Amino acid sequence: SQQGEEDPQALSIQEGENATMNCSYKTSINNLQWYRQNSGRGLVHLILIRSNEREKHSGRLRVTLDTSKKSSSLLITASRAADTASYFCATGTGGGNKLTFGTGTQLKVEL
Amino acid sequence: NAGVTQTPKFRVLKTGQSMTLLCAQDMNHEYMYWYRQDPGMGLRLIHYSVGEGTTAKGEVPDGYNVSRLKKQNFLLGLESAAPSQTSVYFCASTNIGQGAAEAFFGQGTRLTVV
Repeated sequence: SQQGEEDPQALSIQEGENATMNCSYKTSINNLQWYRQNSGRGLVHLILIRSNEREKHSGRLRVTLDTSKKSSSLLITASRAADTASYFCATGTGGGNKLTFGTGTQLKVEL
Repeated sequence: NAGVTQTPKFRVLKTGQSMTLLCAQDMNHEYMYWYRQDPGMGLRLIHYSVGEGTTAKGEVPDGYNVSRLKKQNFLLGLESAAPSQTSVYFCASTNIGQGAAEAFFGQGTRLTVV
């Protein structure tokens, strides 16, 4: 089974609205990352938050991490049509140096 | 700077045929990964490597083999392709272990097994 599960699986919003997607994971982590994937392309790194951090910002992105609940959220503010993509959380676990991904949220931003 | 390059980009195989997917990175990264992506399943880790000459199994290793003879290359082999291996394969590399650094991805290889 996969380490991360994103929620919702799909999200459709209007341009200018905020988009929030959530990630839950199963085991303890060293850090959590969010990636974006445009259709038919490879994944691109967005932001990394370490296990001792609770919130991090990068431009229009805001990520929170709650290790007690084993969950993270990604907020995209003032969304644009160009934000249409799939978003994945990824967790780095110690020991094996594995980087494992969730199932993704498909975001569609409509004009 | 090419980053991560996957070869080939597309391939159609017949059941039982073998092939090797090549991943090359020019960033001097220690860690390299092979994933497969299927609809609704996200990315699943097949095998990974934490350095030249090392390999380890991921979540779905059956039917695949890998080799890391050179630091910059990570090869994924299918010895006897099956229709269940129809997927999009992604290679990734990172500079620091334990997932501490961002991963750079190739553009993917779309494999169809008929």
